[in-house]
Amino acid sequence: DVKVTQSSRYLVKRTGEKVFLECVQDMDHENMFWYRQDPGLGLRLIYFSYDVKMKEKGDIPEGYSVSREKKERFSLILESASTNQTSMYLCASSSPTGGETQYFGPGTRLLVL
Amino acid sequence: QKEVEQNSGPLSVPEGAIASLNCTYSDRGSQSFFWYRQYSGKSPELIMFIYSNGDKEDGRFTAQLNKASQYVSLLIRDSQPSDSATYLCAVNADNYGQNFVFGPGTRLSVLP
Repeated sequence: DVKVTQSSRYLVKRTGEKVFLECVQDMDHENMFWYRQDPGLGLRLIYFSYDVKMKEKGDIPEGYSVSREKKERFSLILESASTNQTSMYLCASSSPTGGETQYFGPGTRLLVL
Repeated sequence: QKEVEQNSGPLSVPEGAIASLNCTYSDRGSQSFFWYRQYSGKSPELIMFIYSNGDKEDGRFTAQLNKASQYVSLLIRDSQPSDSATYLCAVNADNYGQNFVFGPGTRLSVLP
């Protein structure tokens, strides 16, 4: 079974803080993704990575950065958290040789005060 | 801009009925199609994927794909209250899984 884990289920931060969200997958997947999900807006892609140290901007990268130093780990960084970044953050992984299905972690609900 | 559209719902069906969820997509080059179920407060989980035109059945679920009409649907037979969730359609347009687009989701409510 594919397992994708995220470092926190719930997180409360203050405006201006630097926030790290971590995602780990155990299936040797090449692709990893970060989404945010807000009511009425669906899933929006922030960044994705198709290999170690490689990253591509998604639809809403502003205010975020990412890091992928190891194949199994993909981190999302909020350099200076703002209240409009309060959201549910979902990590996913997939493999080009595995039918491209994306498998999701449990999500991190972030509240920025 | 590649788009995937779904009716937002809510779609309400009585227990035991067939629920029909629909999805259209704009990119004619799309190659693989996925249905995810998402319970409130949880992350999406894969129900089915389909690559070829026609029907694909898995238990109470049937996915139907018509590439000419750029249309994919999910039928849920013998709907149960536990099927009440938001159903996300997703479309991938490359061979590497890097061109994934999700629809906004349809909220399904199965009434006992």
